[in-house]
Amino acid sequence: EAQVTQNPRYLITVTGKKLTVTCSQNMNHEYMSWYRQDPGLGLRQIYYSMNVEVTDKGDVPEGYKVSRKEKRNFPLILESPSPNQTSLYFCASSLWLENNEQFFGPGTRLTVL
Amino acid sequence: GQNIDQPTEMTATEGAIVQINCTYQTSGFNGLFWYQQHAGEAPTFLSYNVLDGLEEKGRFSSFLSRSKGYSYLLLKELQMKDSASYLCAVRGPGGSYIPTFGRGTSLIVHP
Repeated sequence: EAQVTQNPRYLITVTGKKLTVTCSQNMNHEYMSWYRQDPGLGLRQIYYSMNVEVTDKGDVPEGYKVSRKEKRNFPLILESPSPNQTSLYFCASSLWLENNEQFFGPGTRLTVL
Repeated sequence: GQNIDQPTEMTATEGAIVQINCTYQTSGFNGLFWYQQHAGEAPTFLSYNVLDGLEEKGRFSSFLSRSKGYSYLLLKELQMKDSASYLCAVRGPGGSYIPTFGRGTSLIVHP
């Protein structure tokens, strides 16, 4: 089944404790991105990647890191999480940059205490 | 930059037709998307418009007027399962092709 998977789905952590949210797609998509979704603010892009070893900042990159060592994986790293990073996170992928349809993962609900 | 406006909430009756509007102001334009998102779930793609006019796909249609910076999503024969948030997103110019999402319109369909 073609899909985007994220882990964990739910995470409660404390300020300053490094964490990684994994994202993997099995559709051989080149383009991957991370969004956060907050009430009243909609979906905002954090980082995106156009291919292996090619990443760039989105609208709200502060406090986040990403890497793209393999085509299928695009982990999101929070080196020192803070409470304002409490949010719902989505990973998405599409076949190539100009492709119209993005496929979203199921989401990761993160709470930073 | 880009600014996207859509109503926060709408209600409609099962079996009816509803139109969800989206207006945008952008420094450039490279396509407009509509996504559906049920509560607690991931967004799913509904439509993409890059040229003016109406695109029909089953019960859902999407319209675009680039000169007016305006789009709408038309849902016909509403069903209870259509209760969801509908997200309008605009893709700007340049190499990033990053879409900017509006805040979404929460549609409530009642019997």
